[in-house]
Amino acid sequence: QVQLKESGPVLVQASETLSLTCTVSGFSLTNYGVIWVRQPPGKGLEWMGIIWRNGNTDYNSALKSRLSINRDTSKSQVFLKMNSLQTDDTAIYYCTRDPEGYGYYFDYWGQGVMVTVSS
Amino acid sequence: DIVMTQSPSSLAVSAGETVTINCKSSQSLLYSGNQKNYLAWYQQKPGQSPKLLIYWASTRQSGVPDRFIGSGSGTDFTLTISSVQAEDLAIYYCQQYYDTPPTFGAGTKLELK
Repeated sequence: QVQLKESGPVLVQASETLSLTCTVSGFSLTNYGVIWVRQPPGKGLEWMGIIWRNGNTDYNSALKSRLSINRDTSKSQVFLKMNSLQTDDTAIYYCTRDPEGYGYYFDYWGQGVMVTVSS
Repeated sequence: DIVMTQSPSSLAVSAGETVTINCKSSQSLLYSGNQKNYLAWYQQKPGQSPKLLIYWASTRQSGVPDRFIGSGSGTDFTLTISSVQAEDLAIYYCQQYYDTPPTFGAGTKLELK
């Protein structure tokens, strides 16, 4: 069955770089795009960026200067790196799947990883 | 970015009631080329990740009970939950995918009266 699972550090110091991994199973990264979405505690959802099935990427312009998304198709893993972290980057980070290949809506979600940025 | 405005922000209901959640977009989500509305609805229960309920404004995701009904077009959309059950208590989000970046509403919290 389709599964996504995020992993990475739960505590990061301000100004440092966040590195997260999304490990997927039940589908191929060459057939589906993967999106990162984050949710600050008690707040709404923010689309961060997508790595398309062809490996191209698009980012939220608000984060573009700090964010990069890559993948290793042989390991079924997608990587998020975001630098210059601030306390307002504290959030649950989710990876999700793009079912139609156009980055529209998101049908499967990981459990999320709570990342706290400490000053 | 397209702004999505949901109302109400919270709603207290009794089991068995029918509820309506509204979502308004700052520009039309109806694409004239295919007459589809680029809108989805998600349900997020406490401590869980969001779950896709509805896409293309009115198409239920596989396995979603038929008491969840999406409707609307253009800039005004509605999620109706008929005969609310205790398991439906959650936060509901609308999301547009007409333009990049996809954006979400702030959510509507469904609580038990």
